[in-house]
Amino acid sequence: ILNVEQSPQSLHVQEGDSTNFTCSFPSSNFYALHWYRWETAKSPEALFVMTLNGDEKKKGRISATLNTKEGYSYLYIKGSQPEDSATYLCAFRRRADSWGKLQFGAGTQVVVTP
Amino acid sequence: EAGVTQFPSHSVIEKGQTVTLRCDPISGHDNLYWYRRVMGKEIKFLLHFVKESKQDESGMPNNRFLAERTGGTYSTLKVQPAELEDSGVYFCASSRIPHEVAGTDTQYFGPGTRLTVL
Repeated sequence: ILNVEQSPQSLHVQEGDSTNFTCSFPSSNFYALHWYRWETAKSPEALFVMTLNGDEKKKGRISATLNTKEGYSYLYIKGSQPEDSATYLCAFRRRADSWGKLQFGAGTQVVVTP
Repeated sequence: EAGVTQFPSHSVIEKGQTVTLRCDPISGHDNLYWYRRVMGKEIKFLLHFVKESKQDESGMPNNRFLAERTGGTYSTLKVQPAELEDSGVYFCASSRIPHEVAGTDTQYFGPGTRLTVL
């Protein structure tokens, strides 16, 4: 894999249900993986920066895991609420780009319905 | 602490005109990045400043784009002359930790400038 891919592109979740989605990235030259939450017309909000294989991060009802050897990260939302509706972006940072350039996926749009 | 701010929030111009976008990073952040999201595609890197120096401008599409960061504070991105394909959302981000120390610094994003070229 050469690019950052996110799946699914969109998903609809009932309020109260839990959900998860995937970010796939090149497994070679890994440096860091960033997760952002973005509502249109607002600033993308930083959720996590993950660097180590097996890393698990948690922020409230949102958590993420990282597998650098196989090149994927999962983001989980537990007990989804309408305010979780947003596009979730992952961004990969290559070792060669340690200056800071992020390579983004296209995002997973999450819609939580009451 | 104020976040990253961008001005204007929206700009509508005609093909061939010039537009200048401004970004004010978080105070004290030496790293400043410009990104662009075109036509609902993924956000793509344009360039990176460390203080007033261009560290990486590998993402700049062509010489119609000129970025500056005089004095190492705010930055401007000028598009001259604008073309239809330049339409999109231009994001600015900033981060604090010097790259030599940690490559895992969080990049804080502004709300973007939505540019429409007619």
